[in-house]
Amino acid sequence: DGGITQSPKYLFRKEGQNVTLSCEQNLNHDAMYWYRQDPGQGLRLIYYSQIVNDFQKGDIAEGYSVSREKKESFPLTVTSAQKNPTAFYLCASTNSRQADQNQPQHFGDGTRLSIL
Amino acid sequence: AQSVTQPDIHITVSEGASLELRCNYSYGATPYLFWYVQSPGQGLQLLLKYFSGDTLVQGIKGFEAEFKRSQSSFNLRKPSVHWSDAAEYFCAVGSNDYKLSFGAGTTVTVRA
Repeated sequence: DGGITQSPKYLFRKEGQNVTLSCEQNLNHDAMYWYRQDPGQGLRLIYYSQIVNDFQKGDIAEGYSVSREKKESFPLTVTSAQKNPTAFYLCASTNSRQADQNQPQHFGDGTRLSIL
Repeated sequence: AQSVTQPDIHITVSEGASLELRCNYSYGATPYLFWYVQSPGQGLQLLLKYFSGDTLVQGIKGFEAEFKRSQSSFNLRKPSVHWSDAAEYFCAVGSNDYKLSFGAGTTVTVRA
């Protein structure tokens, strides 16, 4: 079945450490997104990529980095510069090449990141 | 820039009763509107979407939503709630650059 796989489901970070969250999709979607979810704040966009080898900052990109070397993969690195990384991170993708713009985004099951 | 407001943080409803979740959006052009549902510790699942056409949209799990341009609203409804409908619900508005803006969410509790 096609879908989005996020790993790991739970991740712990030590002070000063960078950690990388994985997101893989087999939906053949061009666009991929990373969101951060905090209680009572909905989803906030960190980074997005509409095509391989290109990505843009979202609303809260500081302290995060991404790469898009393959269509299927969009890993997110939470760097030591992100002082409050504890959150639930969601990856999404959509088919941005359809004639109708804004096809729905499909979501993975998320990664919960906590500080040790 | 687009934005979404979900005025109700938490709603409690009895099983079998009707449910309505409110959503108000702000967007300068014709909006693309979505409702998603999230169970604890899970990702978001699309319930329904509105792009154009009929303003009453049917979705999965017996949900429907009505787009009212004059009120900038896209309220979600279900005639009879089941215990499995307990979850968090998010309204989202999309723009022409393929980005979504989400509301803060409404948590629904279903009592027996």
